[in-house]
Amino acid sequence: DAGVIQSPRHEVTEMGQEVTLRCKPISGHNSLFWYRQTMMRGLELLIYFNNNVPIDDSGMPEDRFSAKMPNASFSTLKIQPSEPRDSAVYFCASSPGLATSTDTQYFGPGTRLTVL
Amino acid sequence: AQSVAQPEDQVNVAEGNPLTVKCTYSVSGNPYLFWYVQYPNRGLQFLLKYITGDNLVKGSYGFEAEFNKSQTSFHLKKPSALVSDSALYFCAVPNYGGSQGNLIFGKGTKLSVKP
Repeated sequence: DAGVIQSPRHEVTEMGQEVTLRCKPISGHNSLFWYRQTMMRGLELLIYFNNNVPIDDSGMPEDRFSAKMPNASFSTLKIQPSEPRDSAVYFCASSPGLATSTDTQYFGPGTRLTVL
Repeated sequence: AQSVAQPEDQVNVAEGNPLTVKCTYSVSGNPYLFWYVQYPNRGLQFLLKYITGDNLVKGSYGFEAEFNKSQTSFHLKKPSALVSDSALYFCAVPNYGGSQGNLIFGKGTKLSVKP
């Protein structure tokens, strides 16, 4: 099993540019999560999907952030326009069940985003 | 509100010595508890979880954790530390009151194992 795949691994962009992060969950998993990790705030859940449907997006910082999951094997997190404070490591994770309390989440390697 | 606390930002251990990384929790309902490890420049990896049953949970890489209901703790332990165990360790609990699938993570404890 290839695990959760994220691309790109590193992204450097300038303020105001659009950024798109991509994630391929583990095949057969029913839930997908987007997290952001910073030194100041630690790990924060941004949004998660069950069966491709967004369930909770209360962690999305503002309207500049959007996420989609057009099918079971692909999700994107888009930031438009990007700002320096968006610089962080963004993780995608998937779990086999429908995000129940006992589910184990499996994380991708992350995308390190730097906004200049 | 559900929460976990990791009281130590960093733990230093000599190789071969036992290690403990502490976690305390505050939850309403059944406490399901998780430990994850993050190696440098990598994503989080699942180590172990407590759902129910035996209070001593065994996980990956020789780690184990002891669930203590009276002390509301779920400390991570290993009898003999390896240099390769040096990493960032996160305790987590599900967000029972909100979205069930949301894991709430502690701030993390950096474990440093010196030869």
